[in-house]
Amino acid sequence: EPEVTQTPSHQVTQMGQEVILRCVPISNHLYFYWYRQILGQKVEFLVSFYNNEISEKSEIFDDQFSVERPDGSNFTLKIRSTKLEDSAMYFCASSDWLAENTGELFFGEGSRLTVL
Amino acid sequence: QKEVEQNSGPLSVPEGAIASLNCTYSDRGSQSFFWYRQYSGKSPELIMSIYSNGDKEDGRFTAQLNKASQYVSLLIRDSQPSDSATYLCAVNYQGNLIFGKGTKLSVKP
Repeated sequence: EPEVTQTPSHQVTQMGQEVILRCVPISNHLYFYWYRQILGQKVEFLVSFYNNEISEKSEIFDDQFSVERPDGSNFTLKIRSTKLEDSAMYFCASSDWLAENTGELFFGEGSRLTVL
Repeated sequence: QKEVEQNSGPLSVPEGAIASLNCTYSDRGSQSFFWYRQYSGKSPELIMSIYSNGDKEDGRFTAQLNKASQYVSLLIRDSQPSDSATYLCAVNYQGNLIFGKGTKLSVKP
């Protein structure tokens, strides 16, 4: 069964360092998303991406964050200068054109980011 | 501000019982509603979607939607210890899912 894959599964970084989280969405999907979940809190929407541009972003997704689809398969989230409060699990998700309207997202296993 | 509200629990039920999970949402224009299951340290897993008022059944799971009351629920019949997880209610706002905080369910053998 096709799945969304994310790397790394866990990354530890020093405050102020840049981090890139990588995702390979399901191959025929067109819509891509990043969500985050701080430990013990709810899953929060960060950004959605379609047709090589951001469709929508939340208040959390400030200038420190950026997304990119550098090739036909990868979808990346970059945090330019990490802060302690960026420590969270980051989930990538993708959907096909029908799911964009229905909201059926397929999630990767997540990348846990720990900022020290 | 789009809100999805859930009782955080924990909700504890004995094995074999019915577990009832509830969710309310703020945007009356929402059309798509989802229940995800999340085991500790894992990613959300879709278990039910519902788009029309009424009930939708899938195996031991029944989702119920009442758009007039802005209310969604999930019933789990014959609860099993393996159902112990956090259940996330999610609402589609213009193509993006907004999640509630989740209800932690514990099924006791």
